[in-house]
Amino acid sequence: DIQMTQSPSSLSASVGDRVTITCRASQHISRYLNWYQQKPGKAPNLLISAASSLQSGVPSRFSGSGSGTDFTLTISSLQPEDFATYYCQQSYSAPYTFGLGTNLEIK
Amino acid sequence: QVQLQESGPGLVKPSQTLSLTCTVSGGFISSGDYYWSWIRQHPGKGLEWIGFISYRGNTDFTPSLRSRVTILVDTSNNQFSLKLSSVTAADTAVYFCARTNSGWYFFDYWGQGTPVTVSS
Repeated sequence: DIQMTQSPSSLSASVGDRVTITCRASQHISRYLNWYQQKPGKAPNLLISAASSLQSGVPSRFSGSGSGTDFTLTISSLQPEDFATYYCQQSYSAPYTFGLGTNLEIK
Repeated sequence: QVQLQESGPGLVKPSQTLSLTCTVSGGFISSGDYYWSWIRQHPGKGLEWIGFISYRGNTDFTPSLRSRVTILVDTSNNQFSLKLSSVTAADTAVYFCARTNSGWYFFDYWGQGTPVTVSS
């Protein structure tokens, strides 16, 4: 199985801050990397697919980059509704595995 | 807008079979190039992909659960289902169904999730 390592596991930030979350794959996955946001008691919501493709309806302050083994999710200016847990997921090969998540909290 | 809704018992006894159904609305299971996945989340933990099925019945599963998992599709009712046999407390989780892009294998539409507890 491909292991996905996210960092940091938790992060405190303020509204307006720029935040970057990283995800590293245990082997090359090209651009088969997706990012999700999950709020308590809700299903995950797809933000970015194929490393950098922003899903329809997702604010442009979210962006993704990377290829191979190293990827980043950046939120350019945090808004109150962005405080949530973020997961990366590799879709290069089954089983499709997720990172353990980054809990983004209000400072 | 595609919507998915899980249904099934919230409590299952150890050694029995967990059975869940996902009903899809706003689109047809048989209409496009998608797979239909089951994903679970243990309490306070991360996400685990269980497996998926195509409308033609092609399946793939995570190896650790392969021996206990069955996923079936019912295109006439626009549903797909999960059966997990010989459950233990370790199978206690929130179970989600999700639509899966067949090219890039991301999960773009999710059900709200249904909690399942394994306990006697």
